Amino acid sequence: EVQMLESGGGLVQPGGSLRLSCAASGFVFGSYAMIWVRQAPGKGLEWVSCISGDGSKTYYADSVKGRFTISSDKSKDTLYLQMNSLRAEDTAIYYCAKLGPPNTSVYFQHWGQGTLVTVSS
Amino acid sequence: EIVLTQSPATLSLSPGERATLSCRASQSVGSSLGWYQQKPGQAPRLLIYDASNRATGIPARFSASGSGTDFTLTISSLEPEDFAVYYCQHRTNWWTFGQGTKVEIK
Repeated sequence: EVQMLESGGGLVQPGGSLRLSCAASGFVFGSYAMIWVRQAPGKGLEWVSCISGDGSKTYYADSVKGRFTISSDKSKDTLYLQMNSLRAEDTAIYYCAKLGPPNTSVYFQHWGQGTLVTVSS
Repeated sequence: EIVLTQSPATLSLSPGERATLSCRASQSVGSSLGWYQQKPGQAPRLLIYDASNRATGIPARFSASGSGTDFTLTISSLEPEDFAVYYCQHRTNWWTFGQGTKVEIK
């Protein structure tokens, strides 16, 4: 069974940093691109950052480019999101998801339960 | 970038009724469209991929159709657990979602 478990969310002041983790299991981690998606309170879904299965390619939404860094550790089957210079508008539930199919990475096939990030003074 | 517009914003129906949700793309996306269900307090779940294929474990009462710019998700007979928000989604260079349709109990 595919499972993903996010952690690392919490309350942080504007300008602060947080590191989110997503522990994956039930599939060959290095064979699938992984992605972070966020959902602001009462709002829709927004992709944040994506990393290829082999970790060689990374992609960022314009809203987080230069502030967030995605990475993965295949030895631990874990995805990370380092978030710096946080702003109030980054407040959201952050989900990690497994993309598929492996060759096109179009769809969000499996999702974690999410972790809440609140940016407030 | 392609914009996905969902309608209606809210659909008020009773259990047992048929639900029809629409997703319109600003330009053709072929058959590359997915649908997701999100219940309150839960993560989204993939229902449909490639416009009309049910994902693993999705009940047969969920069906979808369309290609190009116009897509439809149909729930043939609403069960209590189907009242949720539904999103359509596409990928060109990046991933985009529609704004969602809430299916609520009438």
